[in-house]
Amino acid sequence: GAVVSQHPSRVICKSGTSVKIECRSLDFQATTMFWYRQFPKQSLMLMATSNEGSKATYEQGVEKDKFLINHASLTLSTLTVTSAHPEDSSFYICSALHRRLKETQYFGPGTRLLVL
Amino acid sequence: SQQGEEDPQALSIQEGENATMNCSYKTSINNLQWYRQNSGRGLVHLILIRSNEREKHSGRLRVTLDTSKKSSSLLITASRAADTASYFCATDAFGNEKLTFGTGTRLTIIP
Repeated sequence: GAVVSQHPSRVICKSGTSVKIECRSLDFQATTMFWYRQFPKQSLMLMATSNEGSKATYEQGVEKDKFLINHASLTLSTLTVTSAHPEDSSFYICSALHRRLKETQYFGPGTRLLVL
Repeated sequence: SQQGEEDPQALSIQEGENATMNCSYKTSINNLQWYRQNSGRGLVHLILIRSNEREKHSGRLRVTLDTSKKSSSLLITASRAADTASYFCATDAFGNEKLTFGTGTRLTIIP
């Protein structure tokens, strides 16, 4: 149980385009989901906290107009990277907090974004 | 956020040996968790230890927590090639579900 999926797993896009990444909790409800960014051989940095039915909370230094987050249901959150640039190339990982078992975040497999 | 430090940054050991990784953090915590990440993949939850616990076991894993020193260790006994991965500690504070990750230890098990 407690499986989180991400789609797509890998995406290559041209500079200036927008890319949408989906994060789904497959077998549980998640009122809270988190989006992280990870550069090669580095740790995870939290970008934003996504709560179902409300606006996302962004960490300091993360542009909310560039990284649009929508948490439309208890099982789906999306991250849209708008007007992507090469420096946005990274590994984006989401996690979901189980609605009942709130101590553990369950992570998706990640999405590798390459902006040309 | 105040990221924790992990030590060592990289560790290579022979299969069958034990591997020990350490994590230090800076602020008071509610829970400390350890995660494993295989190259280019997501994170797998290994074990959670609460701030009022000192030691916890799960299979070949043993985690200790010393809140007075703000540190934790992860011991993997009888290592296997499949244990090759990066290991991260992550902490959360009371009343805050956000995780702060350590810098990670890259573990390589040599067959």
